[in-house]
Amino acid sequence: QQPVQSPQAVILREGEDAVINCSSSKALYSVHWYRQKHGEAPVFLMILLKGGEQMRHEKISASFNEKKQQSSLYLTASQLSYSGTYFCGTSVGGYSSASKIIFGSGTRLSIRP
Amino acid sequence: NAGVTQTPKFRVLKTGQSMTLLCAQDMNHEYMYWYRQDPGMGLRLIHYSVGEGTTAKGEVPDGYNVSRLKKQNFLLGLESAAPSQTSVYFCASSLNGLVGNEQFFGPGTRLTVL
Repeated sequence: QQPVQSPQAVILREGEDAVINCSSSKALYSVHWYRQKHGEAPVFLMILLKGGEQMRHEKISASFNEKKQQSSLYLTASQLSYSGTYFCGTSVGGYSSASKIIFGSGTRLSIRP
Repeated sequence: NAGVTQTPKFRVLKTGQSMTLLCAQDMNHEYMYWYRQDPGMGLRLIHYSVGEGTTAKGEVPDGYNVSRLKKQNFLLGLESAAPSQTSVYFCASSLNGLVGNEQFFGPGTRLTVL
């Protein structure tokens, strides 16, 4: 049930773009994206809902493809502050079980000056 | 507002010892969660609670017990600690279970079982 994230790690130079993918073998109701810096707690970025619009957080945006059962996180013109591990979390089963989120194993993003 | 706080921040146990991790939130949130995070494994849900007096099992509940006697507190207990329970434990809370509500995480507790 755990969603699969790819790639596992990315190294970028400041200003470059990146895409992180999150896919599930089950039909998805919502996808949650969090970022965690080393030694800190995960911090919420955005939630995408089934049938909803593409979301945006600063220069980070995400899409949700219900047919493919996957979500993609787009980091545009990356900044040093974007470094960290990105987790997607998925909920299945509709509104009543939406609170139970299963997280992927994360994508480690390193930004170099 | 302090948000979500966890006690203790660090703990070392010997195999077979017991302990309780405390999570407290001051945001009047209904839902609370306990996760463990191991290197390369991401966050795995141990138990969660949808309100005072309720608890439910997550992905990896074995070896843990929880209680939610007060709305603001969510306790995680290890009755007989094992080395496999060495991990970083995060507590989180959300306003309610409605989709679209973010989870707020505490700073974590680093537990080592020898």
